[in-house]
Amino acid sequence: GDSVTQMEGPVTLSEEAFLTINCTYTATGYPSLFWYVQYPGEGLQLLLKATKADDKGSNKGFEATYRKETTSFHLEKGSVQVSDSAVYFCALSDRYSSNTGKLIFGQGTTLQVKP
Amino acid sequence: DAGVIQSPRHEVTEMGQEVTLRCKPISGHDYLFWYRQTMMRGLELLIYFNNNVPIDDSGMPEDRFSAKMPNASFSTLKIQPSEPRDSAVYFCASSLSGFQETQYFGPGTRLLVL
Repeated sequence: GDSVTQMEGPVTLSEEAFLTINCTYTATGYPSLFWYVQYPGEGLQLLLKATKADDKGSNKGFEATYRKETTSFHLEKGSVQVSDSAVYFCALSDRYSSNTGKLIFGQGTTLQVKP
Repeated sequence: DAGVIQSPRHEVTEMGQEVTLRCKPISGHDYLFWYRQTMMRGLELLIYFNNNVPIDDSGMPEDRFSAKMPNASFSTLKIQPSEPRDSAVYFCASSLSGFQETQYFGPGTRLLVL
């Protein structure tokens, strides 16, 4: 079945450091891929998405490229800020899944940015 | 739009009591999802609806949990009787139809069962 695997956290960085959070997926069809972010005490919110191979999603300085050949959707940011401290979830939605409309989430990666 | 609305935001109850969580999805959204989040188990999908019809309830932990969606603008998740292991944050989310669509999450209900 479909699945998403993220790198284990927590990830601790200093302000202005480069961020990469790895995400790989397994899907039977042609999934759409998402990154969601959860700030402390809040619900998840969409950070960016990509709907087909080689698409790049971007938002708030974050980027991720849909790599079909490596089944990956790694999240990157060139210079993190303290305000980026949150939990990041990679997710997929598969149009050929029997449960269309459902998101498959990874386990989440906690990012802590220190000043 | 006000976004997904959940109530109550916090609930403290005693073991054995009935708990009802409420959700109002974004107007026009066809899908509604109930999730549970704990430190131990992470984010779990409990059940989801399409056009008010339950599609997949395989994530509902046991018969003590039930969910309804009587109309397009309201859903409830009920736990009866509640147990301490049900303590978690419960999120409701909604989305438009289609596999590429974004899910919009509510702020969550933090439940503590003593």
